[in-house]
Amino acid sequence: AQSVTQLGSHVSVSEGALVLLRCNYSSSVPPYLFWYVQYPNQGLQLLLKYTTGATLVKGINGFEAEFKKSETSFHLTKPSAHMSDAAEYFCAVSLNNAGNMLTFGGGTRLMVKP
Amino acid sequence: EPEVTQTPSHQVTQMGQEVILRCVPISNHLYFYWYRQILGQKVEFLVSFYNNEISEKSEIFDDQFSVERPDGSNFTLKIRSTKLEDSAMYFCASSGPGQGIVETQYFGPGTRLLVL
Repeated sequence: AQSVTQLGSHVSVSEGALVLLRCNYSSSVPPYLFWYVQYPNQGLQLLLKYTTGATLVKGINGFEAEFKKSETSFHLTKPSAHMSDAAEYFCAVSLNNAGNMLTFGGGTRLMVKP
Repeated sequence: EPEVTQTPSHQVTQMGQEVILRCVPISNHLYFYWYRQILGQKVEFLVSFYNNEISEKSEIFDDQFSVERPDGSNFTLKIRSTKLEDSAMYFCASSGPGQGIVETQYFGPGTRLLVL
């Protein structure tokens, strides 16, 4: 079985500041890891994913995440926050490549102050 | 860009009534999913569907739930006799071939179900 923990249900940063959203996972096999973003009244949109290979993954909108196996982490970062980044962010893990369920963390709501 | 669509966006129903939530997955996708999110809680997997049959389901997906792909485009979730605790946002997702080794699940905007 797999699980995902997101530390901090709410994170507030100032515009231009570093964004760091934390995600830790547990998995009995090498996982596939995902970050999704949800804007108000919209569905979940994929930001980035880790499958195999390079552990630093770049996604859309300037976000990136690093897979650290020793720490069982997949934290999401962005060097400089924009107001438009305000949304809810979900980390998720999957054990397989096709047709497999995603297990989500509880989500982190990012607020960006002007 | 292709997207997953869901109807209705909101549904209010009385306890014990049947509801059908509808989804149109991305047209060349082969895998279909339903997830739900109870207010303030995690997004939870309900069921996955491939080749016209359920491939995986969670403990939540009991006999009150069923899924169907009635034609070549729609994918539905039926709740036979709704309970108060079924109130949630229901997300449909789809994934398919040709996207690389690991398939991305594309999500619809959700249907918010309220059971009174």
